[in-house]
Amino acid sequence: DIQMTQSPSSLSASVGDRVTIACRASQDIRNALAWYQQKPGKVPKRLIYAVSSLQSGVPSRFSGSGSGTEFTLTISSLQPEDFATYYCLQHHNYPPLTFGGGTKVEIK
Amino acid sequence: QVQLVQSGAEVKKPGASVKVSCKASGYTFTNYDINWVRQATGQGLEWMGWMNPKSGYTGHAQKFQGRVTMTRDTSTSTVYMELSSLRSEDTAVYYCVRVMGAIDYWGQGTLVTVSS
Repeated sequence: DIQMTQSPSSLSASVGDRVTIACRASQDIRNALAWYQQKPGKVPKRLIYAVSSLQSGVPSRFSGSGSGTEFTLTISSLQPEDFATYYCLQHHNYPPLTFGGGTKVEIK
Repeated sequence: QVQLVQSGAEVKKPGASVKVSCKASGYTFTNYDINWVRQATGQGLEWMGWMNPKSGYTGHAQKFQGRVTMTRDTSTSTVYMELSSLRSEDTAVYYCVRVMGAIDYWGQGTLVTVSS
């Protein structure tokens, strides 16, 4: 099965900072990668699909990039409502689905 | 609009079984796989398994071998996930999710607590 390694596991940042979260796949997953945001006690929400396509209604400060095995989620200017945990998900050769371990974005 | 509505919270004793339901609406039930994902408190997301509602075919992660059963009722657009031989480590929120490529819709989650 494909493994997803997400880094960092947590980070502290200030409002207005540019934030980058990485996800590495154990093998080539083409463009079968999505990103989710989860706030405490809430259901995860999809931000990005197919590596870089922005989900409808998601602010444009979120962007995704990468290919093959290396992927990145970038928040261009962190806002107060962006403090949350972020997960990558690969769906190449589904099933199975594989999540990254998560990145908790906290206030500095 | 697409909705996945799950059954309510459960408290079970170790060794018991739990059956969680997920009722789909707002789309053609047989056109999309339903998967199950769980999340222990303070932990990450863990994929459990999948079901194709049209064929009834299912599959699951190796760690749940012999303990998880997924069924469906096409007349009510409902998928069920039953987990048996529960242990304390199974305490988690269980989500049903619709899969179209990646996950596009989530149920609200069902908290299953395993405690003696």
